[in-house]
Amino acid sequence: DAGITQSPRHKVTETGTPVTLRCHQTENHRYMYWYRQDPGHGLRLIHYSYGVKDTDKGEVSDGYSVSRSKTEDFLLTLESATSSQTSVYFCAINGGATGYGYTFGSGTRLTVV
Amino acid sequence: QKEVEQNSGPLSVPEGAIASLNCTYSDRGSQSFFWYRQYSGKSPELIMFIYSNGDKEDGRFTAQLNKASQYVSLLIRDSQPSDSATYLCARGRGNNRLAFGKGNQVVVIP
Repeated sequence: DAGITQSPRHKVTETGTPVTLRCHQTENHRYMYWYRQDPGHGLRLIHYSYGVKDTDKGEVSDGYSVSRSKTEDFLLTLESATSSQTSVYFCAINGGATGYGYTFGSGTRLTVV
Repeated sequence: QKEVEQNSGPLSVPEGAIASLNCTYSDRGSQSFFWYRQYSGKSPELIMFIYSNGDKEDGRFTAQLNKASQYVSLLIRDSQPSDSATYLCARGRGNNRLAFGKGNQVVVIP
């Protein structure tokens, strides 16, 4: 398997609390991405990174921030969690074992109560 | 119009038959297209990519790209129960981003 791991795998949090999800890769890939997946919406891009300290917004970035201080780590923070952010979050790296397209992490199922 | 559309509802196919999935896209400048398979509760995994017009075959899978008509399709020959999954179509964008369709569920009936 490509070296990409997400943590935690599951999390339940309360409305209004900050939450940080971590994505770690061992492939030394430049590009990393955060998506959320919801029924009826498919995969939607939240933020992405094209290098250390280089990040940009996707189409559903409101309420989220990211940081990338090292090549291997890409953090997604929900600044003040809301119920609408209950979702499955996937991190992806570009290329991975296949050399094309993305390789996805196993996902984080986040529930905001 | 959404960037990538997969409009078909769940597709049920008998074991051994051909499953056919279609995807349309709105940006004529799109150059790269991908098909992912996602089992329930799992992450998407890449099964095919295609850049050129025409067909590309990989085992039981064939991707077909028609840039003039702006569609890409996936054929699964000799469908097996293990092919039961959701199939996601995606197109490449700048900065190596992907835009995904909502997916099509395939159910292979033994």
